[in-house]
Amino acid sequence: DGGITQSPKYLFRKEGQNVTLSCEQNLNHDAMYWYRQDPGQGLRLIYYSQIVNDFQKGDIAEGYSVSREKKESFPLTVTSAQKNPTAFYLCASSMGGRYGANVLTFGAGSRLTVL
Amino acid sequence: AQTVTQSQPEMSVQEAETVTLSCTYDTSESDYYLFWYKQPPSRQMILVIRQEAYKQQNATENRFSVNFQKAAKSFSLKISDSQLGDAAMYFCAWGPNQFYFGTGTSLTVIP
Repeated sequence: DGGITQSPKYLFRKEGQNVTLSCEQNLNHDAMYWYRQDPGQGLRLIYYSQIVNDFQKGDIAEGYSVSREKKESFPLTVTSAQKNPTAFYLCASSMGGRYGANVLTFGAGSRLTVL
Repeated sequence: AQTVTQSQPEMSVQEAETVTLSCTYDTSESDYYLFWYKQPPSRQMILVIRQEAYKQQNATENRFSVNFQKAAKSFSLKISDSQLGDAAMYFCAWGPNQFYFGTGTSLTVIP
């Protein structure tokens, strides 16, 4: 079945450590996204990528980094520069293009807790 | 600035009754899409309904329908014949490529 796989589901990090969240999709989607979800704040865009080897910052990119070396993969690294990284992280993908059937498909999410 | 506002943090509805969730948005674009997503306790985001801004006809998906008022930048979701499985967080969103989300409305369905 086609879908998006996020791993790990739960992750614990000590302060000062970088961690990488994995996102893989087999939907043949061109565009991929990372969102952060905090209670009462909805989903906020961290980074998105419309094509391989290209990505753009979203509203809250500081302290995060991404790469898009393959169409199927869009890993997110939470660096030690992110001051409040404890949150629920959602990866999503879409067909891409501006006026296509642009519906976001989401992964199951990753919960990051800083100890 | 592109914003999406959901002014109802919490709503409740009796089972089998109808409830309407509100959403307003702000954009200078003329062509875009609007969405309602559902997030149940599992936290898996599920698309409920989608509306193309260039279409005047309101979208409908079974018990879910929208009231799209483009001039007012309003996009409300109506759930008819509410069921216990409808209990979830509901997020309004708009795009075409960057997708902006509201802060969500928590819907409780009372048996």
